[in-house]
Amino acid sequence: DTGVSQDPRHKITKRGQNVTFRCDPISEHNRLYWYRQTLGQGPEFLTYFQNEAQLEKSRLLSDRFSAERPKGSFSTLEIQRTEQGDSAMYLCASSLGGSFGPGTRLTVT
Amino acid sequence: DQQVKQNSPSLSVQEGRISILNCDYTNSMFDYFLWYKKYPAEGPTFLISISSIKDKNEDGRFTVFLNKSAKHLSLHIVPSQPGDSAVYFCAASVGEGGGADGLTFGKGTHLIIQP
Repeated sequence: DTGVSQDPRHKITKRGQNVTFRCDPISEHNRLYWYRQTLGQGPEFLTYFQNEAQLEKSRLLSDRFSAERPKGSFSTLEIQRTEQGDSAMYLCASSLGGSFGPGTRLTVT
Repeated sequence: DQQVKQNSPSLSVQEGRISILNCDYTNSMFDYFLWYKKYPAEGPTFLISISSIKDKNEDGRFTVFLNKSAKHLSLHIVPSQPGDSAVYFCAASVGEGGGADGLTFGKGTHLIIQP
């Protein structure tokens, strides 16, 4: 068990560009969550997968955001046409609680 | 509207003493509560959890107390150690088994342990 991993750890992009993040959950966990954390706030729920099915999406997840989990293994989170307000730490969690990845820090300039 | 509130942004405690971190919630549907510890540039690390059928759960130096009638929980750390300095998040969910809405977090309390 190597824990939850996320890639990249840091991403700097210019406004308007597309970015994609990857999460590799703990292998036996069939639930996967994405969260976003901005400065001074706690993590906020974005979306939830059970195996390959995306079962819930927060209203925070605008149309520019899309997440996938093909084959119920790793997951990707894509942000299209990034805005400065997208700058945040994007966290992936495997199962309801207990196992968060290290996060991807996104900075949009 | 914040459903999970941590009203103390920071707390300073002397090494060896007890640290008490507080959390209030408003959603009566929450029935599972967790505490996380977070260092800068890292993801949250799970510390301890409690189900609403209990009022206390203990794990080593960490104890969580739940007062359902007051919709309040607290985390006690005894004795406090320098390595405990971090941001602590309280989180809540509907259902322990994997709710579709994930966890609802408070804004965190920055605990500083002074030597």
